[in-house]
Amino acid sequence: GAVVSQHPSRVICKSGTSVKIECRSLDFQATTMFWYRQFPKQSLMLMATSNEGSKATYEQGVEKDKFLINHASLTLSTLTVTSAHPEDSSFYICSASYKGVGEQYFGPGTRLTVT
Amino acid sequence: GNSVTQMEGPVTLSEEAFLTINCTYTATGYPSLFWYVQYPGEGLQLLLKATKADDKGSNKGFEATYRKETTSFHLEKGSVQVSDSAVYFCALKNAGNMLTFGGGTRLMVKP
Repeated sequence: GAVVSQHPSRVICKSGTSVKIECRSLDFQATTMFWYRQFPKQSLMLMATSNEGSKATYEQGVEKDKFLINHASLTLSTLTVTSAHPEDSSFYICSASYKGVGEQYFGPGTRLTVT
Repeated sequence: GNSVTQMEGPVTLSEEAFLTINCTYTATGYPSLFWYVQYPGEGLQLLLKATKADDKGSNKGFEATYRKETTSFHLEKGSVQVSDSAVYFCALKNAGNMLTFGGGTRLMVKP
């Protein structure tokens, strides 16, 4: 149980375009989803936290207009990187948790490469 | 604020060697402590956890004990395998549901 999927697993896009990454909880209702960014050989940095039906809370230094997060249902959250640039190339990982448990379940990650 | 400090890697061991990866933390209150493992190209998997002082988390031969007096949660395994090669992250969770991660330690096990 508690499986989280991400799609796509890898994406290459051109500079200036937007790309959407989906995060789904497959067998539970995720009241809260988290988006992390991981640069090569570095730790995970929390970008934002989203609760179903409400606006995401962004960490300091994360541009909310560039990284659009939507948590429209209890099983789906999306991260859209708008007007992507090469410096946005990274590994993006989502996690999900449900009320009363607190533990975060992680997706397999999405590797974004912006050319 | 909360912080987690791990020993820098890479840690290179021969198969069947003893493993220790040090982890210390700074936090207010009584956090829960976690070890996550990340295999190449994949997301994080929870390896083990401990929720209160003196608890020992264990899984797949790995174990770690929550030491409040030394604010530590060192990861140990008695006999590592090549398949254990991965990056290991120590993390804590305090009030709320926010995880704070250490920098990660890369483990390489050679046959």
